Formats: sequence, C-alpha cells, structure tokens
Amino acid sequence: SQQGEEDPQALSIQEGENATMNCSYKTSINNLQWYRQNSGRGLVHLILIRSNEREKHSGRLRVTLDTSKKSSSLLITASRAADTASYFCATDAGAQKLVFGQGTRLTINP
Amino acid sequence: DAGVIQSPRHEVTEMGQEVTLRCKPISGHNSLFWYRQTMMRGLELLIYFNNNVPIDDSGMPEDRFSAKMPNASFSTLKIQPSEPRDSAVYFCASSFRTGGIEQYFGPGTRLTVT
Repeated sequence: SQQGEEDPQALSIQEGENATMNCSYKTSINNLQWYRQNSGRGLVHLILIRSNEREKHSGRLRVTLDTSKKSSSLLITASRAADTASYFCATDAGAQKLVFGQGTRLTINP
Repeated sequence: DAGVIQSPRHEVTEMGQEVTLRCKPISGHNSLFWYRQTMMRGLELLIYFNNNVPIDDSGMPEDRFSAKMPNASFSTLKIQPSEPRDSAVYFCASSFRTGGIEQYFGPGTRLTVT
C-alpha cells in the first residue's frame, strides 16, 4: 500500500503562477523526498527534507515538513511550461526503501 | 556518467512468453531497485539489492517474477510466463546505498503483453 498520498491528483495553472502540492503519510519517517516525472521518462530527484527539518529551498522549489501532521508540501514558484510533469513524494521509514505516493499531475498553461 | 541504462525501452510480447528486462546501474552505486508503474497501482517497489544481494523481494507479485544481480554492473528482471496484467512500465533505479538518499532512475521499459 502507498505510504504517501498526494493532493491534489491533478493541478492546472497559468505560467508564472505558483503551484502547491501536498503529501500526507502514515508512519514516522527519517526523511521525505520529492521527485518529478516527465511524460515517458524516469523519475528525477528534486529535494530531500529530513525529519528534523521544517523547511528547505532549492531554486524555485520550497518544501515544508510537518511531522506532527505527517504532511509535506512542495511549492514551485513562478511556474514555467517546462514544470509540466507529475510530482511524487517518497518517504523513507527506515526500512531501507522508499515508498512513493500516487503523484500530482501538474499542467502549466502558457 | 551515462546514468542508469535499461533495455529494451519497449517490449511487446504475447501471453505465455518469457520476458527479460535488463539494467545497468550507475558505476559506484551499490544499491539497485526494480519498480513497476501502472495507472491503477502507481509506482510499486518489486525488489531491491544491496551489494548484489537481494534484500527485500516482498513486492514481487508472484513466482512468475524473478530478479538477479550477478555483478555490480548488471541486473535482470524476468517474467515467465508473461500475462496481459504484467503490462506496465518497469523502472530500475540505483543509489549509493539503501535508505535515506536519492535514487537515480533509468528511462524505463514499457512492456505490453498481448
């Protein structure tokens, strides 16, 4: 069964707007990662946030983690057409493997 | 670095045939993961290896599936016999070690079983 659940399942916004995706999980984690998947491609790692961190930035990406609510959010600022992709959260619960959510399909309209 | 290499990229086969998917991890990585992605079930971990040793194969759907890693630079996932419900995209990923760090994914093999 999936550990992470992304919300929304699909998101469509205009270029230049910000996009926010959320991830909820069920068990305690060591860290949480976000990945991007372009159509027909493999997943690409975006950012990792550890359980003792609350916020992390990488370029136009901002990730937050609330371990009390077992949730994380990914914010993409000033979106571009090239950001169109599916975004997955993945949790590391200490079992030496990642468990991926179902993903959010993001569409950036020009 | 060439990244994770998978072959073939596309495979179309008839039900009952044997299918072998291949993966070459990134040089120096000692953990390798096989995933299956479908619309219905999302991305599922099938099996992973650490230092060429299978660690957890609990995700392998049934005995028709088997995976090997004879050396640090090569792994196979075999389905025998294949069934239409095996149709999916199969990804191989590698990392420096298991757990806690990023995984590098290959481009995937799209398998269609008719």
